[in-house]
Amino acid sequence: DIVMTQSPDSLAVSLGERATINCKSSRSVLYSSNNKNYLAWYQQKPGQPPKLLIYWASTRESGVPDRFSGSGSGTDFSLTISSLQAEDVAVYYCQQYYSTPPTFGGGTKVEIK
Amino acid sequence: EVQLVESGGGLVQPGRSLRLSCATSGFNFDDYAMHWVRQAPGKGLEWVSGISWNSDSRDYADSVKGRFTISRDNANNSLYLEMKSLRAEDTAVYYCAKDPSGGDGSGYYYFDYWGQGTPVTVSS
Repeated sequence: DIVMTQSPDSLAVSLGERATINCKSSRSVLYSSNNKNYLAWYQQKPGQPPKLLIYWASTRESGVPDRFSGSGSGTDFSLTISSLQAEDVAVYYCQQYYSTPPTFGGGTKVEIK
Repeated sequence: EVQLVESGGGLVQPGRSLRLSCATSGFNFDDYAMHWVRQAPGKGLEWVSGISWNSDSRDYADSVKGRFTISRDNANNSLYLEMKSLRAEDTAVYYCAKDPSGGDGSGYYYFDYWGQGTPVTVSS
């Protein structure tokens, strides 16, 4: 199985500041035949199900604010919130879907400083 | 509007069985692969099982293989998870999740819509 490792475990950022979450996979999730990274990011607020933010490592899901962006390739990825808002307080997960079973990172909790 | 509504969770003794259901609406159910993902209390997310649009392909996490069975009823827009020989470590909220892939293929195995989840507690 591909192991997904997120860092940091938690992050406290001031309102309006940038937050960056890292995700590393134990094997490359870049599929060479289509040059796509099989990596998604989710946001989970307390008491709610996860919500898809980003897929193919950098494609924003419809309706997701453009302050959320995904980057990276191969084994190293990042989710950036360019200007943290109060409603962004949540746990964020990365997930690879390059191979079965799909696997998630352990999550990063984002809070307001 | 896409809606996924899970039901069937509850308290069950170790070794017993439980069947979860997921009623869906707002999309062409028989065009998409579907999945179950679970979350133990205070823990992260774990994919449990996935099924292709036509039920030809079914996958399971090693942790549930041989004990859980995923199925779907395209006529009734519903997804199911039959859970047998339940263990304490199966205690979790179980989410039904839609795969964004359509038509042919067994799915991409990421999840664009999620239900609210149904809690399962395995305890004596």
